[in-house]
Amino acid sequence: EAQVTQNPRYLITVTGKKLTVTCSQNMNHEYMSWYRQDPGLGLRQIYYSMNVEVTDKGDVPEGYKVSRKEKRNFPLILESPSPNQTSLYFCASSPPNQPQHFGDGTRLSIL
Amino acid sequence: GESVGLHLPTLSVQEGDNSIINCAYSNSASDYFIWYKQESGKGPQFIIDIRSNMDKRQGQRVTVLLNKTVKHLSLQIAATQPGDSAVYFCAENIPGNQFYFGTGTSLTVIP
Repeated sequence: EAQVTQNPRYLITVTGKKLTVTCSQNMNHEYMSWYRQDPGLGLRQIYYSMNVEVTDKGDVPEGYKVSRKEKRNFPLILESPSPNQTSLYFCASSPPNQPQHFGDGTRLSIL
Repeated sequence: GESVGLHLPTLSVQEGDNSIINCAYSNSASDYFIWYKQESGKGPQFIIDIRSNMDKRQGQRVTVLLNKTVKHLSLQIAATQPGDSAVYFCAENIPGNQFYFGTGTSLTVIP
């Protein structure tokens, strides 16, 4: 089954404790992206990647890092999480200039 | 940043009626537009897309209209069904593969 898999689905953690949200896709898509979704603000793009070893900042990259060492994986790293990064996060993938397939989301709470 | 807005945050329609969800975008360089549906607890799901060289595209029960003159996009759902109840997002793609999403319209279908 074609899918984008995010882990964990839920996480409660504390300020300053590094965390990684993994994202994996099995569709051989070149393009991958991370979004955060907040009430009243819709989805905002954090980082995206056109292919392996190519990453670019989206609209709200501050406080986040990504890497794209393999085509299928695109982890989102929060080196020092803060409460304003409490949000619902989505990973997505697609061929270039095509509709994105989204994962089911990761709900992060940072206390 | 980009502004992709929706005219109404909520919309209620009777089952069987047609629904129209509107979206305004601000970047005249945007060349690709996508509508997504998001059900509670899930990631956005692709509905229909349209490229900037078109002004209308039809799918199964859905039609997207693009008016580049006024930077306006609409989604029409024919014979709306209870299963159509969800939040609908429009997204614009700026060349270079950065995506901007609207804040969403919540559609409620009244049986």
